[in-house]
Amino acid sequence: RKEVEQDPGPFNVPEGATVAFNCTYSNSASQSFFWYRQDCRKEPKLLMSVYSSGNEDGRFTAQLNRASQYISLLIRDSKLSDSATYLCVVNRGTYKYIFGTGTRLKVLA
Amino acid sequence: DAGVIQSPRHEVTEMGQEVTLRCKPISGHNSLFWYRQTMMRGLELLIYFNNNVPIDDSGMPEDRFSAKMPNASFSTLKIQPSEPRDSAVYFCASTLTSGVPFTDTQYFGPGTRLTVL
Repeated sequence: RKEVEQDPGPFNVPEGATVAFNCTYSNSASQSFFWYRQDCRKEPKLLMSVYSSGNEDGRFTAQLNRASQYISLLIRDSKLSDSATYLCVVNRGTYKYIFGTGTRLKVLA
Repeated sequence: DAGVIQSPRHEVTEMGQEVTLRCKPISGHNSLFWYRQTMMRGLELLIYFNNNVPIDDSGMPEDRFSAKMPNASFSTLKIQPSEPRDSAVYFCASTLTSGVPFTDTQYFGPGTRLTVL
């Protein structure tokens, strides 16, 4: 079993829709959590860090559930420009950032 | 501000040849990571440097891979000899490790797309 697991998708949604991704992690010692966005043939870029209380940045909301060991990303009012792969990243408090293999999102006009 | 710089952006080589990938981290960052990304395995950490010192190279696939960081502004990843299974995108990332360790943002370079024929 991988330490960080994501549904690869693709998630095909119409513009304006709300879409949510989950990511599960297996190591209960994990301390830091992130969502990165990766466009096709580009480098990953930080979308948002995930805090215990949950956090919001515009149309994006991230939640952490330590008891069930998952993090989620909610995107409201999807835009065409949101089409990308979303990488879940977990850190156990060391230099090892563990990346999921990503969830592909395609927003359709 | 310049981000992480990698060169070359694309490399096509033949099996058995030596390949050298280069990375310039963001000025002032003290941690540097080399990753390899493939469709099947996603992003895998190859080696981690802190203050130019290799801390963990357990992700380096085999002895054919080596990495150096002679100073704070330059790192190389070398593959010798290269094999077709080394074909992947290689990313360099840097971060400034701050007071709360490993909550910091990693900044990735644009990657080197390596094809070994």
